[in-house]
Amino acid sequence: GENVEQHPSTLSVQEGDSAVIKCTYSDSASNYFPWYKQELGKRPQLIIDIRSNVGEKKDQRIAVTLNKTAKHFSLHITETQPEDSAVYFCAASMGWRGSQGNLIFGKGTKLSVKP
Amino acid sequence: SAVISQKPSRDICQRGTSLTIQCQVDSQVTMMFWYRQQPGQSLTLIATANQGSEATYESGFVIDKFPISRPNLTFSTLTVSNMSPEDSSIYLCSVALYRDNEQFFGPGTRLTVL
Repeated sequence: GENVEQHPSTLSVQEGDSAVIKCTYSDSASNYFPWYKQELGKRPQLIIDIRSNVGEKKDQRIAVTLNKTAKHFSLHITETQPEDSAVYFCAASMGWRGSQGNLIFGKGTKLSVKP
Repeated sequence: SAVISQKPSRDICQRGTSLTIQCQVDSQVTMMFWYRQQPGQSLTLIATANQGSEATYESGFVIDKFPISRPNLTFSTLTVSNMSPEDSSIYLCSVALYRDNEQFFGPGTRLTVL
């Protein structure tokens, strides 16, 4: 089955710097890659996603890139702010071709943005 | 996105008892899922709740321990049966409008088993 590796497990940056979180997946059939942000005590929130027919997607300060050949995708946050501090999870899904679109999650990255 | 609610938001239970968690959505959705998130850990899928048929369980999860119902397109329940302290966790439902669409999470149920 699918396996998703996420790195780093913790990341500390200064406010205004950029942060990059990387994930690799094992099953080339995966075609949907969402990113979730989870603040302490809150539910995971979908912040951006990308499908396998696109190489990059951007939404204001966040962007996601996908390299299907290498089977890895990354989250980029620019001009980080203290409110970006949270745990970020990547996930992969095979959609229709898999088990009804199950999401397989990485282990998470705890991002701390220092003011 | 849909508005998703869960009941209860938290509970403290005695070992050997069972707890039923409810997930309600304000609009009809195709897919409903149940996840477990142990303290400081990632999310693990327990099962996909299928309307009108038995849930589809992931490896390591069985129906006798986690019976699931989904009577319609807006509601599902997860029961944690014969609880032990190892079942202490946050249980979250998620929904997707379509099979190949974004998933949105409910607020979660924090369960503590003594």
